[in-house]
Amino acid sequence: DVKVTQSSRYLVKRTGEKVFLECVQDMDHENMFWYRQDPGLGLRLIYFSYDVKMKEKGDIPEGYSVSREKKERFSLILESASTNQTSMYLCASSLGFAGYVGPQHFGDGTRLSIL
Amino acid sequence: AQSVTQLGSHVSVSEGALVLLRCNYSSSVPPYLFWYVQYPNQGLQLLLKYTSAATLVKGINGFEAEFKKSETSFHLTKPSAHMSDAAEYFCAVRPLIYNQGGKLIFGQGTELSVKP
Repeated sequence: DVKVTQSSRYLVKRTGEKVFLECVQDMDHENMFWYRQDPGLGLRLIYFSYDVKMKEKGDIPEGYSVSREKKERFSLILESASTNQTSMYLCASSLGFAGYVGPQHFGDGTRLSIL
Repeated sequence: AQSVTQLGSHVSVSEGALVLLRCNYSSSVPPYLFWYVQYPNQGLQLLLKYTSAATLVKGINGFEAEFKKSETSFHLTKPSAHMSDAAEYFCAVRPLIYNQGGKLIFGQGTELSVKP
């Protein structure tokens, strides 16, 4: 089974802090994604990556950046945390090669609170 | 822009009753379609997927969904609800055009409650 591991289940940070959320997958997947989930809004894509060092903006990239230095690890960075970034953050990965893209597999999420 | 609409943010059924969760998509080209389930304090788990093969797709836990191109729908059903089915359900589409990386577009989610 695919395992997507997010480093923290719960995290509390202060306004203005730089926050790192880490995600690791163990299936050699090419594609990795960061979403935030808010009640009534479903999941919204922040950033995704289809290869090492490659990144693409999603629908709501403002206030966030990402890093993918190794294939298995995809980090989400809140440059200067604000209270409106309090949310559930979900990481996902999928297989992608030669035109084939597999279904996305999700981690258990990080519930982030910014005080 | 492509979108996904889930009708009903909350659905309540009795144990043993039919479960019907509605999903409509907007796309000129039939996309790939997915249903995910999220149990409390967990990530999303894939229930089933439609990838242009059979229009009736069977998934895990007794769920199935039917792709209807004429209605642009992909409704999720289960003949008999169990208490363990209580969760939030998300419909998602994966556009097949200009979609490097296989991005998904999610609906807003439907929370299913099951009454004893």
